[in-house]
Amino acid sequence: GQQLNQSPQSMFIQEGEDVSMNCTSSSIFNTWLWYKQDPGEGPVLLIALYKAGELTSNGRLTAQFGITRKDSFLNISASIPSDVGIYFCAGFPNAGNNRKLIWGLGTSLAVNP
Amino acid sequence: NAGVTQTPKFQVLKTGQSMTLQCAQDMNHEYMSWYRQDPGMGLRLIHYSVGAGITDQGEVPNGYNVSRSTTEDFPLRLLSAAPSQTSVYFCASSPADSEAFFGQGTRLTVV
Repeated sequence: GQQLNQSPQSMFIQEGEDVSMNCTSSSIFNTWLWYKQDPGEGPVLLIALYKAGELTSNGRLTAQFGITRKDSFLNISASIPSDVGIYFCAGFPNAGNNRKLIWGLGTSLAVNP
Repeated sequence: NAGVTQTPKFQVLKTGQSMTLQCAQDMNHEYMSWYRQDPGMGLRLIHYSVGAGITDQGEVPNGYNVSRSTTEDFPLRLLSAAPSQTSVYFCASSPADSEAFFGQGTRLTVV
């Protein structure tokens, strides 16, 4: 099935560093979503983006809907140990059955205190 | 706020057994979905529903059945469990074409 290209696959950083991850697609998307999954839990929505060029923040997190509508990125500033987890991008494509969310494979983040 | 509730949280089955994973949401969402999550493979859609009485297959539907008799409930049935169905299962609900809210997952082991 269709899948988003999410990178990097994993990151190991020092506390206080900034983090950047992104998601790309070969086709246009109408909505981009960023989720975080803590160990043993279900994914939780962090940020939702609905318009090309939209830049949205949620505390230390900032995400942008790419102008081409084929990509999105998530930045985390001044990372802390509780940022550890798996970050997923997801979206609704413009064409086809847009009732099904398409997912990236996730970015696993580890933070060294 | 209950949100999306999945039961059980953990389950061990023998090969060939059947069981039903329960999912209930109290947000009056139209859409409900079942995913499985395996290491390195992200979230894969099993079945989904866009409203009561309507279901459709996702990416990996084989070996699973669903029904949606009410807006609130969306059970997932394993007809004859196989070791390949060992996974973590997540149920999600969402308003139409909008962000999904997930349950806490069911960790299933088939031996």
